[in-house]
Amino acid sequence: DQQVKQNSPSLSVQEGRISILNCDYTNSMFDYFLWYKKYPAEGPTFLISISSIKDKNEDGRFTVFLNKSAKHLSLHIVPSQPGDSAVYFCAAIPAQGAQKLVFGQGTRLTINP
Amino acid sequence: EAGVVQSPRYKIIEKKQPVAFWCNPISGHNTLYWYLQNLGQGPELLIRYENEEAVDDSQLPKDRFSAERLKGVDSTLKIQPAELGDSAVYLCASSSQGYNEQFFGPGTRLTVL
Repeated sequence: DQQVKQNSPSLSVQEGRISILNCDYTNSMFDYFLWYKKYPAEGPTFLISISSIKDKNEDGRFTVFLNKSAKHLSLHIVPSQPGDSAVYFCAAIPAQGAQKLVFGQGTRLTINP
Repeated sequence: EAGVVQSPRYKIIEKKQPVAFWCNPISGHNTLYWYLQNLGQGPELLIRYENEEAVDDSQLPKDRFSAERLKGVDSTLKIQPAELGDSAVYLCASSSQGYNEQFFGPGTRLTVL
């Protein structure tokens, strides 16, 4: 039972363009969402997060959008840079879930020069 | 500030052998997590500690897996005996109490032959 789904295993984007990574969830009790970035042979690194009381959070080139009615969130990276090439994981925490992260399967982003 | 430290980084063992992984969390982080990451999947929580107490071990296969966090700092995860299906990356993470963001170590890649 995959509660957090990233349906695109991979995404290829031209350098300088916008990268959009998508994530869907099924559990309406999730109230906090995070994006992690992972390079090969390294652990996931926290990127950006959003609370369910917001619909947008922005940090430099990274913006996360949350659509609670659709149970969907997305990560926008603009402009995309070669160093953004990595696997991106969406994760969610349920209300009263005591910091228990539920991860999606990940999307491998490749930025082409 | 030093990050989460894990050792060893890589381990190859034969099935039925025991194996142990060690984790040193970020200084001051009282919450420690062990995750399992299979190839092509997101991390899945095995156990969570608040200080030295295991507060969520519902996903830990207790017939062969054990963990401890003596003195509420370092932690060890053990598998005995290892099976072929245990081949995966074992990630350790830590966080400050009350904060959702978790910080991950580089992981231990286990190969069981």
